[in-house]
Amino acid sequence: GNSVTQMEGPVTLSEEAFLTINCTYTATGYPSLFWYVQYPGEGLQLLLKATKADDKGSNKGFEATYRKETTSFHLEKGSVQVSDSAVYFCALSGLGGAQKLVFGQGTRLTINP
Amino acid sequence: NAGVTQTPKFRVLKTGQSMTLLCAQDMNHEYMYWYRQDPGMGLRLIHYSVGEGTTAKGEVPDGYNVSRLKKQNFLLGLESAAPSQTSVYFCASSYSGGKFFGPGTRLTVL
Repeated sequence: GNSVTQMEGPVTLSEEAFLTINCTYTATGYPSLFWYVQYPGEGLQLLLKATKADDKGSNKGFEATYRKETTSFHLEKGSVQVSDSAVYFCALSGLGGAQKLVFGQGTRLTINP
Repeated sequence: NAGVTQTPKFRVLKTGQSMTLLCAQDMNHEYMYWYRQDPGMGLRLIHYSVGEGTTAKGEVPDGYNVSRLKKQNFLLGLESAAPSQTSVYFCASSYSGGKFFGPGTRLTVL
């Protein structure tokens, strides 16, 4: 079946550090890939997306590249801020219609000043 | 625009009680979804709807029912709550460009 695997958290970094959160997927066909962010006490917000191989999604300094050959969509940011502390979810969609999403388990990120 | 709203925000039930969670969206989206979020498991799809009057089962539909009588509303019902249904429930609606999530309902079943 279709699935998404994220690196286990929690992840704790100092401000201005480089961030990578790994995400790999298993899917039949060619899904769209997403990163969602959930700030404390809130719902999920779309952070970025990529709809085909080699596409790069970017937003708020975060980037992720759709790598079909390694079935990966790793999230990166060059210099994190305290305000980036949140839970990050990798997800895929586009399989089986109705735009249903399959989520990874989430990675909790804490940035210390 | 209020976006996606959920009612209530918190609820505590006893085993066997029933309740309905309400999701409303004012963006005229065709698709709506109910997810549950449990620690270490991400979000799992319970039921979804591709339009007014239609519903379909997701990944974990057992113990839940849904209705989409109006395009803007998507109701999630628990007929006989069980402790395994303790979770945070998220509603979402979508168009072709992406999904919008509600703020969540935290449900505890004792």
